[in-house]
Parts: sequence; structure tokens; C-alpha cells
Amino acid sequence: SQTIHQWPATLVQPVGSPLSLECTVEGTSNPNLYWYRQAAGRGLQLLFYSVGIGQISSEVPQNLSASRPQDRQFILSSKKLLLSDSGFYLCAWIRSSGNTIYFGEGSWLTVV
Amino acid sequence: AQSVTQLDSQVPVFEEAPVELRCNYSSSVSVYLFWYVQYPNQGLQLLLKYLSGSTLVKGINGFEAEFNKSQTSFHLRKPSVHISDTAEYFCAVRGFNFNKFYFGSGTKLNVKP
Repeated sequence: SQTIHQWPATLVQPVGSPLSLECTVEGTSNPNLYWYRQAAGRGLQLLFYSVGIGQISSEVPQNLSASRPQDRQFILSSKKLLLSDSGFYLCAWIRSSGNTIYFGEGSWLTVV
Repeated sequence: AQSVTQLDSQVPVFEEAPVELRCNYSSSVSVYLFWYVQYPNQGLQLLLKYLSGSTLVKGINGFEAEFNKSQTSFHLRKPSVHISDTAEYFCAVRGFNFNKFYFGSGTKLNVKP
């Protein structure tokens, strides 16, 4: 069966510090991978998605970037965090020929 | 482009009462539709999905939803809710030819004893 792992689960970072959130999927190959952000009281905002290694599509201009160095690894980064980057970050995946998206457990980021 | 509207941000309901959570979508192409549930501090779990066929879709935990193409709606229903149904519910849409999933802003269901 397929599983998705996301870490760290909780992170408190000062303004201006870097960020790295990591996500890996097991039990499948060539998945589509996604990063969403869920701000307090708001819905899910699609940040990035990737259909293959090195292929990143950005949905919203922002202070964040994403990379896919391996087939089942998706990394969300920032060089300098802003207060507005605080939120709940969710990694997700679907099979390349699939139609249902599956989510990781999420990472809470608080920028102070 | 697709978009999803969940008109109700919060829905309070008493235990064993019926509930309907509303979802409307806009799309210029045919879509796949989904409902997800999110318990506190967790990721989203799939409740049910509409891909094709019967417009009435049954999911886990006794939930069901009906796809109405003319009204561009996909409302979620349960005839009798439990305390354990207290969570946030998200409607989502995916276009047939796109790799993107778009989510509504969520509806918090609060089941009271």
C-alpha cells in the first residue's frame, strides 16, 4: 500500500530564517506531488505541484520554493521566512494515472 | 479554470439530527468532485468522490452526496450525525485534463449533544 510521510510535524522559526519541509511517498512511482497551505480560518491554497523529477509548477507568487530531487521526494523551502508564512502545510500525492488526491499529516509552521 | 464555493463556514447541529453541507463549483469543463474530512491537527481524508455514473454517491461514515450538473452543486448529507462527526469538511474539484485540485474554504461541522 502507499503511504506519505511529511516532516517535521511542528516547527517554530524566527522571521528571516530558512525553511525546509520534506515529504516522501512510498509504494508508488512517478506520482504527482503537491504542496498546499492552510492558513487559520481559511481553505487550502495550492502552492506548488510537480508531475516529475525537476518539474515544478508554481501557483502563487510568494516567498516559497519547491524542489523534487527524487521521484518520490518533494521539498518546500524558503530562504527567509515572513510572519505571513505561518500556517499548516500539507503535502499530497496522486498516482500519475489516478484521480484521487491523498494527504500527509501536515506540518505546523509558526513564524515568530 | 475551476473554483469551489462552500457557503457555510460553520454548521452547528444536534446529535442524531440530519445535516447538509453545501458545495457549488464552477468549471468550463467536466469535473471530478470530492469531499474530504479533516479532524483537528490532521491531514485530509477522503469521504467520497464523484467521477461518473450515478449522481448519488455514498461514502464512509454514512455520508452521501449528490451531483447536480444543472445546479453545479455537490452537497454532502448525512441523515443522523454523531458527536464524532465534528470536524471540518472540504469540497474539491478536479478538471478532467488538469493536474490541479481546487478546494473550497471548508465547513466546520459542530455536533452538539
